[in-house]
Amino acid sequence: QLQLQESGPGLVKPSETLSLTCTVSNGSISRNTYYWGWIRQPPGKGLEWIGSMYYSGSTYYNPSLKSRVTISVDRSKNQFSLKLSSVTAAETAVYFCAGIRITISGEVIIHDAFDVWGQGTLVTVSS
Amino acid sequence: QSALTQPPSASGSPGQSVTISCTGTSSDVGSYNYVSWYQQHPGKAPRLMIYEVNERPSGVPDRFSGSKSGNTASLTVSGLQAEDEADYYCSSYAGSNNVVFGGGTKLTVL
Repeated sequence: QLQLQESGPGLVKPSETLSLTCTVSNGSISRNTYYWGWIRQPPGKGLEWIGSMYYSGSTYYNPSLKSRVTISVDRSKNQFSLKLSSVTAAETAVYFCAGIRITISGEVIIHDAFDVWGQGTLVTVSS
Repeated sequence: QSALTQPPSASGSPGQSVTISCTGTSSDVGSYNYVSWYQQHPGKAPRLMIYEVNERPSGVPDRFSGSKSGNTASLTVSGLQAEDEADYYCSSYAGSNNVVFGGGTKLTVL
């Protein structure tokens, strides 16, 4: 059964770059049936999709975060990573990584559902 | 893209049925059958309960069902049980590889 685990600093200073890694276990990150993505949840609030990537390296980002987000893959380590630059205190949140079921319709690949989730990691933005 | 609209709370007694709505637009829920629902207990990661409007992943009880009409999707929980008390979130594909979530609904089992 596929398992995901987030890792990275729990404290980041305002204006700096948040960096997290997600390690995929019991399955290959190079499978063509999943996107790999990041979602965040501020304390007491709802879920927000940050972005996703395909094993090939194609990336897709939330338009509201696009200018500050980079998601990348390290296939040799079966890991994918998130970088979010110029963070503010409002971006204090639990950050989840997820395996996203995809549907291929012709030449279009569609985000279907967030199938497998990591346990989440709290990142606090504070000086 | 705006968040999908869910009622902040819903409730029901054990054994009853409750339905949670998720309203989007013609650009997301109304255009695609890629609506999914997630259950989240406090301090836990979300769990996929429904995908593609009305499909259940393996292991999800058949008490959980989904539907869609126009721009509104719904999750129905039948035969409510104490362990169903949780937050529920909907999500929809929004075209051009965008995804949007709802604001969440807290389900209370009375």
